[in-house]
Amino acid sequence: KQEVTQIPAALSVPEGENLVLNCSFTDSAIYNLQWFRQDPGKGLTSLLLIQSSQREQTSGRLNASLDKSSGRSTLYIAASQPGDSATYLCAVRPGADGLTFGKGTHLIIQP
Amino acid sequence: ETGVTQSPTHLIKTRGQQVTLRCSSQSGHNTVSWYQQALGQGPQFIFQYYREEENGRGNFPPRFSGLQFPNYSSELNVNALELDDSALYLCASRAGGLNEQFFGPGTRLTVL
Repeated sequence: KQEVTQIPAALSVPEGENLVLNCSFTDSAIYNLQWFRQDPGKGLTSLLLIQSSQREQTSGRLNASLDKSSGRSTLYIAASQPGDSATYLCAVRPGADGLTFGKGTHLIIQP
Repeated sequence: ETGVTQSPTHLIKTRGQQVTLRCSSQSGHNTVSWYQQALGQGPQFIFQYYREEENGRGNFPPRFSGLQFPNYSSELNVNALELDDSALYLCASRAGGLNEQFFGPGTRLTVL
């Protein structure tokens, strides 16, 4: 059974810092990995999708990497801003149906 | 382009009742999935619909059922509500295959 773990569970940093969020998964047989952002009580906003054949994806200040063989992904956020405060969720697609999610990293950027 | 929409936004029911949640997929998306997110947890996959057929299901009992319509919109039905069914219910759509999944704003269900 695929399990996804996100470390740390919570993180608080001053504005302007670069930071890394970690995601690990137990079964390397995945089709892709997707990072999401969730604001309190809201739905999920897709940030980046990495297909299994790719090593990384970039969008603005965000960069996500994937090491499928070791079961790891990282989300790098450059020059953090207070508006980046949210919960960040990592999800893998083990097959043709649903995503398997981690519990998320709750991020607070202090002004 | 209209994104994924869900209705209602909030719902309060009592134990034993039945509920129907609705989702309109993003334009051009033929695959709809439903997820349950308990407080402080990641979303859990309930089931997926493609071309009006359920083609994937997570670890949820049969009292969770669904429909997909020809316009790709979808319903989630939950019978015999239990207190533990209280959660945020998320609908997601994608353009089939292994494409990026897009989520709606969710329906907050409270069971008393």
